[in-house]
Amino acid sequence: DGGITQSPKYLFRKEGQNVTLSCEQNLNHDAMYWYRQDPGQGLRLIYYSQIVNDFQKGDIAEGYSVSREKKESFPLTVTSAQKNPTAFYLCASSIFTGGVLSKKNIQYFGAGTRLSVL
Amino acid sequence: GIQVEQSPPDLILQEGANSTLRCNFSDSVNNLQWFHQNPWGQLINLFYIPSGTKQNGRLSATTVATERYSLLYISSSQTTDSGVYFCAASPDGYNKLIFGAGTRLAVHP
Repeated sequence: DGGITQSPKYLFRKEGQNVTLSCEQNLNHDAMYWYRQDPGQGLRLIYYSQIVNDFQKGDIAEGYSVSREKKESFPLTVTSAQKNPTAFYLCASSIFTGGVLSKKNIQYFGAGTRLSVL
Repeated sequence: GIQVEQSPPDLILQEGANSTLRCNFSDSVNNLQWFHQNPWGQLINLFYIPSGTKQNGRLSATTVATERYSLLYISSSQTTDSGVYFCAASPDGYNKLIFGAGTRLAVHP
Protein backbone atom coordinates (compact mmCIF):
# COMPACT_ATOMS: atom_id res chain seq x y z
CA ASP A 1 0.00 0.00 0.00
CA GLY A 2 1.51 3.32 -1.05
CA GLY A 3 1.62 6.13 1.44
CA ILE A 4 3.38 8.15 4.10
CA THR A 5 4.05 6.46 7.42
CA GLN A 6 4.80 8.43 10.57
CA SER A 7 5.90 6.82 13.81
CA PRO A 8 5.32 6.74 16.64
CA LYS A 9 1.74 8.05 16.89
CA TYR A 10 2.41 9.34 20.41
CA LEU A 11 5.74 10.38 21.92
CA PHE A 12 6.75 11.76 25.29
CA ARG A 13 9.88 13.80 25.87
CA LYS A 14 11.68 14.34 29.12
CA GLU A 15 13.40 17.59 30.01
CA GLY A 16 16.70 17.99 28.14
CA GLN A 17 16.09 15.00 25.90
CA ASN A 18 16.34 14.84 22.12
CA VAL A 19 13.66 12.79 20.37
CA THR A 20 13.37 11.69 16.74
CA LEU A 21 10.16 11.41 14.75
CA SER A 22 10.15 9.05 11.80
CA CYS A 23 8.66 9.74 8.36
CA GLU A 24 8.85 7.18 5.55
CA GLN A 25 7.18 7.33 2.12
CA ASN A 26 6.96 4.73 -0.65
CA LEU A 27 5.40 7.06 -3.21
CA ASN A 28 8.72 7.79 -4.95
CA HIS A 29 8.21 11.48 -4.17
CA ASP A 30 11.20 13.78 -4.45
CA ALA A 31 10.15 16.44 -1.94
CA MET A 32 9.37 15.96 1.74
CA TYR A 33 8.22 18.40 4.43
CA TRP A 34 7.74 18.69 8.19
CA TYR A 35 4.98 20.83 9.70
CA ARG A 36 4.00 21.64 13.26
CA GLN A 37 0.40 22.20 14.38
CA ASP A 38 -0.50 23.79 17.72
CA PRO A 39 -4.02 23.39 19.13
CA GLY A 40 -6.63 25.38 17.25
CA GLN A 41 -4.16 26.63 14.67
CA GLY A 42 -3.02 25.93 11.16
CA LEU A 43 0.20 24.15 10.20
CA ARG A 44 3.60 25.85 10.10
CA LEU A 45 6.59 24.66 8.08
CA ILE A 46 9.64 23.45 10.03
CA TYR A 47 11.94 22.02 7.32
CA TYR A 48 11.66 20.83 3.74
CA SER A 49 13.80 18.82 1.36
CA GLN A 50 13.56 18.88 -2.43
CA ILE A 51 16.17 16.19 -3.01
CA VAL A 52 18.34 13.66 -1.18
CA ASN A 53 21.19 15.16 0.89
CA ASP A 54 19.68 18.64 0.71
CA PHE A 55 17.20 20.39 3.00
CA GLN A 56 16.14 23.94 3.84
CA LYS A 57 14.80 25.69 6.92
CA GLY A 58 11.15 26.63 7.02
CA ASP A 59 9.52 29.32 9.12
CA ILE A 60 10.08 27.74 12.57
CA ALA A 61 13.28 25.66 12.28
CA GLU A 62 14.89 26.71 15.60
CA GLY A 63 15.25 23.76 17.98
CA TYR A 64 14.77 21.16 15.23
CA SER A 65 17.09 19.22 12.94
CA VAL A 66 16.55 16.90 9.96
CA SER A 67 18.45 14.61 7.62
CA ARG A 68 17.69 13.27 4.14
CA GLU A 69 20.06 10.39 3.48
CA LYS A 70 17.50 8.36 1.53
CA LYS A 71 14.71 9.44 -0.81
CA GLU A 72 12.14 7.53 1.24
CA SER A 73 13.05 8.88 4.67
CA PHE A 74 13.01 12.32 6.30
CA PRO A 75 13.40 12.03 10.11
CA LEU A 76 12.87 15.04 12.36
CA THR A 77 14.79 15.48 15.63
CA VAL A 78 13.28 17.71 18.29
CA THR A 79 16.27 18.89 20.30
CA SER A 80 16.47 20.09 23.89
CA ALA A 81 16.82 23.61 22.47
CA GLN A 82 13.14 23.51 21.47
CA LYS A 83 11.58 24.89 24.66
CA ASN A 84 7.95 24.32 23.72
CA PRO A 85 7.86 21.04 21.78
CA THR A 86 4.33 19.94 22.69
CA ALA A 87 2.46 19.85 19.38
CA PHE A 88 1.14 17.67 16.57
CA TYR A 89 3.80 17.02 13.92
CA LEU A 90 2.87 16.21 10.34
CA CYS A 91 5.09 14.97 7.55
CA ALA A 92 4.23 15.46 3.88
CA SER A 93 5.63 14.62 0.47
CA SER A 94 5.03 15.78 -3.07
CA ILE A 95 6.09 15.28 -6.66
CA PHE A 96 5.66 17.30 -9.82
CA THR A 97 3.35 15.63 -12.32
CA GLY A 98 1.84 16.59 -15.66
CA GLY A 99 3.18 18.41 -18.67
CA VAL A 100 4.34 21.99 -19.12
CA LEU A 101 0.80 23.34 -19.36
CA SER A 102 -0.74 21.16 -16.67
CA LYS A 103 1.94 20.87 -14.03
CA LYS A 104 0.73 19.79 -10.61
CA ASN A 105 2.57 19.60 -7.30
CA ILE A 106 0.14 18.07 -4.84
CA GLN A 107 1.23 17.60 -1.26
CA TYR A 108 0.10 14.51 0.69
CA PHE A 109 0.26 14.08 4.46
CA GLY A 110 0.97 11.31 6.94
CA ALA A 111 -1.20 10.61 10.00
CA GLY A 112 0.98 12.64 12.36
CA THR A 113 2.84 12.23 15.67
CA ARG A 114 1.62 13.84 18.90
CA LEU A 115 4.55 14.94 21.05
CA SER A 116 4.12 15.82 24.72
CA VAL A 117 6.57 16.86 27.42
CA LEU A 118 6.72 14.85 30.67
CA GLY B 1 5.49 36.48 2.84
CA ILE B 2 2.12 35.38 1.61
CA GLN B 3 -0.81 35.58 4.06
CA VAL B 4 -3.72 33.15 3.97
CA GLU B 5 -6.98 34.04 5.71
CA GLN B 6 -10.01 31.80 6.08
CA SER B 7 -13.58 32.65 6.98
CA PRO B 8 -15.70 32.00 8.86
CA PRO B 9 -13.58 30.62 11.73
CA ASP B 10 -16.50 28.52 13.00
CA LEU B 11 -19.62 27.18 11.34
CA ILE B 12 -22.52 25.17 12.75
CA LEU B 13 -24.96 23.52 10.36
CA GLN B 14 -27.96 21.25 10.43
CA GLU B 15 -27.60 18.10 8.39
CA GLY B 16 -28.67 18.74 4.82
CA ALA B 17 -27.68 22.42 4.75
CA ASN B 18 -25.29 23.97 2.25
CA SER B 19 -22.27 26.10 3.11
CA THR B 20 -19.50 28.18 1.56
CA LEU B 21 -16.03 28.51 3.04
CA ARG B 22 -13.73 31.28 1.87
CA CYS B 23 -9.95 31.55 1.56
CA ASN B 24 -8.21 34.85 0.74
CA PHE B 25 -4.51 34.99 -0.13
CA SER B 26 -2.33 38.07 -0.29
CA ASP B 27 -0.17 37.27 -3.33
CA SER B 28 -0.20 35.22 -6.52
CA VAL B 29 0.06 31.48 -5.90
CA ASN B 30 1.66 28.52 -7.59
CA ASN B 31 -0.32 25.97 -5.63
CA LEU B 32 -3.55 26.07 -3.64
CA GLN B 33 -4.97 23.07 -1.83
CA TRP B 34 -8.03 22.45 0.35
CA PHE B 35 -7.82 19.85 3.13
CA HIS B 36 -10.22 18.33 5.64
CA GLN B 37 -8.70 17.43 9.01
CA ASN B 38 -10.65 14.64 10.65
CA PRO B 39 -11.02 14.21 14.44
CA TRP B 40 -7.89 12.01 14.53
CA GLY B 41 -5.80 14.73 12.95
CA GLN B 42 -5.39 13.19 9.51
CA LEU B 43 -5.26 15.75 6.71
CA ILE B 44 -7.31 14.55 3.76
CA ASN B 45 -6.76 16.13 0.36
CA LEU B 46 -9.93 17.62 -1.07
CA PHE B 47 -8.80 19.74 -4.00
CA TYR B 48 -5.67 20.93 -5.77
CA ILE B 49 -6.99 24.13 -7.32
CA PRO B 50 -4.60 27.03 -8.08
CA SER B 51 -7.23 28.28 -10.54
CA GLY B 52 -10.57 27.28 -12.01
CA THR B 53 -13.41 25.12 -10.71
CA LYS B 54 -13.54 21.47 -9.70
CA GLN B 55 -16.24 19.22 -8.30
CA ASN B 56 -16.07 15.97 -6.36
CA GLY B 57 -19.45 14.65 -5.27
CA ARG B 58 -21.08 17.05 -2.81
CA LEU B 59 -17.96 19.21 -2.67
CA SER B 60 -16.81 21.75 -5.19
CA ALA B 61 -14.16 24.48 -5.21
CA THR B 62 -13.47 27.60 -7.21
CA THR B 63 -10.30 29.69 -7.24
CA VAL B 64 -10.23 33.13 -8.84
CA ALA B 65 -6.49 33.66 -8.98
CA THR B 66 -6.69 37.24 -10.33
CA GLU B 67 -8.80 38.28 -7.33
CA ARG B 68 -6.83 36.12 -4.89
CA TYR B 69 -9.54 34.03 -3.32
CA SER B 70 -10.84 30.49 -3.29
CA LEU B 71 -14.21 29.11 -2.23
CA LEU B 72 -15.12 25.63 -1.01
CA TYR B 73 -18.78 24.64 -1.34
CA ILE B 74 -20.32 21.85 0.70
CA SER B 75 -23.81 20.81 -0.35
CA SER B 76 -26.26 18.62 1.55
CA SER B 77 -23.91 18.47 4.53
CA GLN B 78 -23.60 15.29 6.58
CA THR B 79 -22.36 14.71 10.13
CA THR B 80 -19.23 13.11 8.66
CA ASP B 81 -18.34 16.47 7.12
CA SER B 82 -17.55 17.79 10.60
CA GLY B 83 -13.96 18.75 11.29
CA VAL B 84 -11.58 21.49 10.32
CA TYR B 85 -11.17 22.67 6.74
CA PHE B 86 -7.83 24.20 5.78
CA CYS B 87 -6.80 26.19 2.79
CA ALA B 88 -3.06 26.25 2.01
CA ALA B 89 -1.16 28.15 -0.64
CA SER B 90 2.37 28.23 -1.98
CA PRO B 91 3.79 31.29 -3.74
CA ASP B 92 6.66 29.50 -5.46
CA GLY B 93 7.86 26.29 -7.03
CA TYR B 94 9.23 24.91 -3.74
CA ASN B 95 5.65 24.13 -2.70
CA LYS B 96 6.13 25.43 0.84
CA LEU B 97 2.50 25.52 1.88
CA ILE B 98 1.27 28.42 4.00
CA PHE B 99 -1.85 27.39 5.90
CA GLY B 100 -4.80 29.46 6.98
CA ALA B 101 -6.12 29.10 10.53
CA GLY B 102 -8.95 26.86 9.33
CA THR B 103 -12.75 26.78 9.47
CA ARG B 104 -14.17 24.54 12.19
CA LEU B 105 -17.35 22.92 10.91
CA ALA B 106 -19.86 21.10 13.10
CA VAL B 107 -22.79 19.38 11.38
CA HIS B 108 -25.60 18.33 13.70
CA PRO B 109 -28.22 15.65 12.88
